[in-house]
Amino acid sequence: GAVVSQHPSRVICKSGTSVKIECRSLDFQATTMFWYRQFPKQSLMLMATSNEGSKATYEQGVEKDKFLINHASLTLSTLTVTSAHPEDSSFYICSGSRDEQYFGPGTRLTVT
Amino acid sequence: DAKTTQPPSMDCAEGRAANLPCNHSTISGNEYVYWYRQIHSQGPQYIIHGLKNNETNEMASLIITEDRKSSTLILPHATLRDTAVYYCIVSFYNQGGKLIFGQGTELSVKP
Repeated sequence: GAVVSQHPSRVICKSGTSVKIECRSLDFQATTMFWYRQFPKQSLMLMATSNEGSKATYEQGVEKDKFLINHASLTLSTLTVTSAHPEDSSFYICSGSRDEQYFGPGTRLTVT
Repeated sequence: DAKTTQPPSMDCAEGRAANLPCNHSTISGNEYVYWYRQIHSQGPQYIIHGLKNNETNEMASLIITEDRKSSTLILPHATLRDTAVYYCIVSFYNQGGKLIFGQGTELSVKP
């Protein structure tokens, strides 16, 4: 199967700061990447669809000015959580679409 | 909203077959059935997908009813490492792969 990596795997930041999470497709080119968020004991929630070279498409209820997504190349998408607050603490997972969708290992964000 | 219904939890004895059901009564003609699983604190892992024919790969078998309103994922010889949450998802194939996750089935494989 295809490999998707995320960096960092864990991050702790202070309230009010911004944090960037990288998602890379290591052995395939992903025209489309997706960002999900998962709270404890809950399922994955799709946040946005990231298309290379164009603006991301956000799901209803997701603040596009708070969760900035950039898909500058066919192998890299980034999610920046701006002015993070404790309620943004969550498990963030990206995926890249080739024939099927392949998921990264996730990034655990803790905002103190 | 997710378009599938799965039991919240199931148990299976190690070495036995695990049969995980999924109802998708509103599936449209060109939507595929996908199965993913998520082991605790990891990203989901692709298992298998199908349109209307039964499918088998090295991980599992997928049985889809003739009316396509339900399906069953079969893990033929479950091991402790198969303990995970299993998600059944319906989605259009090759349309960007947008997946909407439901609550899934938490499978516990017991020795």
